[in-house]
Amino acid sequence: SQQGEEDPQALSIQEGENATMNCSYKTSINNLQWYRQNSGRGLVHLILIRSNEREKHSGRLRVTLDTSKKSSSLLITASRAADTASYFCATDGVGGAQKLVFGQGTRLTINP
Amino acid sequence: DAGITQSPRHKVTETGTPVTLRCHQTENHRYMYWYRQDPGHGLRLIHYSYGVKDTDKGEVSDGYSVSRSKTEDFLLTLESATSSQTSVYFCATVVAGGPYEQYFGPGTRLTVT
Repeated sequence: SQQGEEDPQALSIQEGENATMNCSYKTSINNLQWYRQNSGRGLVHLILIRSNEREKHSGRLRVTLDTSKKSSSLLITASRAADTASYFCATDGVGGAQKLVFGQGTRLTINP
Repeated sequence: DAGITQSPRHKVTETGTPVTLRCHQTENHRYMYWYRQDPGHGLRLIHYSYGVKDTDKGEVSDGYSVSRSKTEDFLLTLESATSSQTSVYFCATVVAGGPYEQYFGPGTRLTVT
């Protein structure tokens, strides 16, 4: 079974609003990563948070990690139409840091 | 796409025929991966390589084989394609030494009729 599970599966918001996506996982991890995939394209790495970190920022992205609850959240602030994409969390740990297990993703739609 | 190309980008083939997909990278990355992406399943690891001639199975390896004779090329072969292998296939690489962010190719859309 997959390590990471995203929630919600789909999210539709208005431009300018904040978008929050959640990821839950099952086993201990070294790192958790978030990726974006635009339609018809490969995944693009957004941000990595280590197991000893609780929060990390990158531009309009804020990631939190709660290892006690085995969960992470990705917050995109002041959303833009260009943020429309699918977002995936990926975790390592079971097979080693070089092997990632991806969740099923959250489809985010930003309405103008 | 971090110097990763995949070929072909699109392929339609018939059930029972062999198919080989190629991943080529120019960054001399040690690790290379093949994933398939299907609706409702996200990305699932098929095989990966941690060096020339060093490969290992992933979550969904049945029906697939791989080869890596050069650092820059990682080949995925479907020995006898089936309709269940219709999917989008992505190659990815990782720089050795961590923190293991993966860089993805543009994908190959394979349809088995």
